[in-house]
Amino acid sequence: GAVVSQHPSRVICKSGTSVKIECRSLDFQATTMFWYRQFPKQSLMLMATSNEGSKATYEQGVEKDKFLINHASLTLSTLTVTSAHPEDSSFYICSARTGDYNQPQHFGDGTRLSIL
Amino acid sequence: AQKITQTQPGMFVQEKEAVTLDCTYDTSDQSYGLFWYKQPSSGEMIFLIYQGSYDEQNATEGRYSLNFQKARKSANLVISASQLGDSAMYFCAMREDFSGGYQKVTFGTGTKLQVIP
Repeated sequence: GAVVSQHPSRVICKSGTSVKIECRSLDFQATTMFWYRQFPKQSLMLMATSNEGSKATYEQGVEKDKFLINHASLTLSTLTVTSAHPEDSSFYICSARTGDYNQPQHFGDGTRLSIL
Repeated sequence: AQKITQTQPGMFVQEKEAVTLDCTYDTSDQSYGLFWYKQPSSGEMIFLIYQGSYDEQNATEGRYSLNFQKARKSANLVISASQLGDSAMYFCAMREDFSGGYQKVTFGTGTKLQVIP
């Protein structure tokens, strides 16, 4: 149980393109979803937290107009990197959790984004 | 100050031996949670074990156990009988609860574990 599907797993696109990444909880209702960014050989950096039906809470330093997050249902959250540039190239990984605070976050397999 | 500190960037362990990965944390909250995740080279994050701040017993999950010392603010992961498939990055994480229902999970910098045959 507790499977989170993230798609696509890899994206290569030109500078200026907008890229949408989907995160789905397949067998549970994800009250809260999280989006992280991970640079090579570094830890996960939380970008934003989203609760179903409400606006995402962004961490300090994360541009909300650059990284659009939508959590329209209990099983789906999307991250759109708008007008992506090479410095946006990174590994993006989502996680989902039920409403129970004591439950762990379950992670998707991540999306490796490369902007040329 | 770092919320989560993992002081061992890399560790080696002989197959079938036990290994302890260190994690210390910093919070003034009474209610928090501690997690360990494993990240193989393929990139996915795999949940291993959870310890709540009010849990009196150390958490155990199969070969994984969490040595929780609340007064010292440490939550070390012990892997018994190491296997080659245990080679991966291991992240310690802490959940903090804020007013309004906002939660934040902070990850440590990770420990790269290599199991030697």
